[in-house]
Amino acid sequence: AQRVTQPEKLLSVFKGAPVELKCNYSYSGSPELFWYVQYSRQRLQLLLRHISRESIKGFTADLNKGETSFHLKKPFAQEEDSAMYYCALSGQGAQKLVFGQGTRLTINP
Amino acid sequence: NAGVTQTPKFQVLKTGQSMTLQCAQDMNHEYMSWYRQDPGMGLRLIHYSVGAGITDQGEVPNGYNVSRSTTEDFPLRLLSAAPSQTSVYFCASSRHLRQSYEQYFGPGTRLTVT
Repeated sequence: AQRVTQPEKLLSVFKGAPVELKCNYSYSGSPELFWYVQYSRQRLQLLLRHISRESIKGFTADLNKGETSFHLKKPFAQEEDSAMYYCALSGQGAQKLVFGQGTRLTINP
Repeated sequence: NAGVTQTPKFQVLKTGQSMTLQCAQDMNHEYMSWYRQDPGMGLRLIHYSVGAGITDQGEVPNGYNVSRSTTEDFPLRLLSAAPSQTSVYFCASSRHLRQSYEQYFGPGTRLTVT
């Protein structure tokens, strides 16, 4: 079974501080992992995917198969990073994208 | 391109009423899906479709029906609304689920069942 856990419902940090949003997954095969973001009054949109190994808006995420984690990190938070963040998993050969519970990130000035 | 569109934006139903949430995409995407978003529970998959004429159940399909007669449209039907179906509903589409294709989401429909 595919399962995604985001242990923090709420996360609040100050501007300029580092940010880490945690994501753990459960899947026996080779997963494809994503981070989606929903800014206020905007649609849910893709932030980044592990297969691309890219940095978007200063965010990075590394797939750690040993720890079954895909944490999202940014070294210096900005106020515009305040949003709802969802970690998602698609299992190999599966036709479903499973989302975590989401973490609401607030960046304080 | 309009992308993924959903109608209506807001809806209030009485218990037992039925209705259809509309979803359309103009990107010729094969894969379409419906999610519901509830506080503390994230997005949960209701139904999905990998192409016209093909649908399957997601995590929480009870009380909902779908059909996919065309590539563009994927309506979600509530057969007999219940207060537990009060939620925000999102439709999404992608070229294909595999190979890390991005899912594009609609703006959502906020449904209240009284």
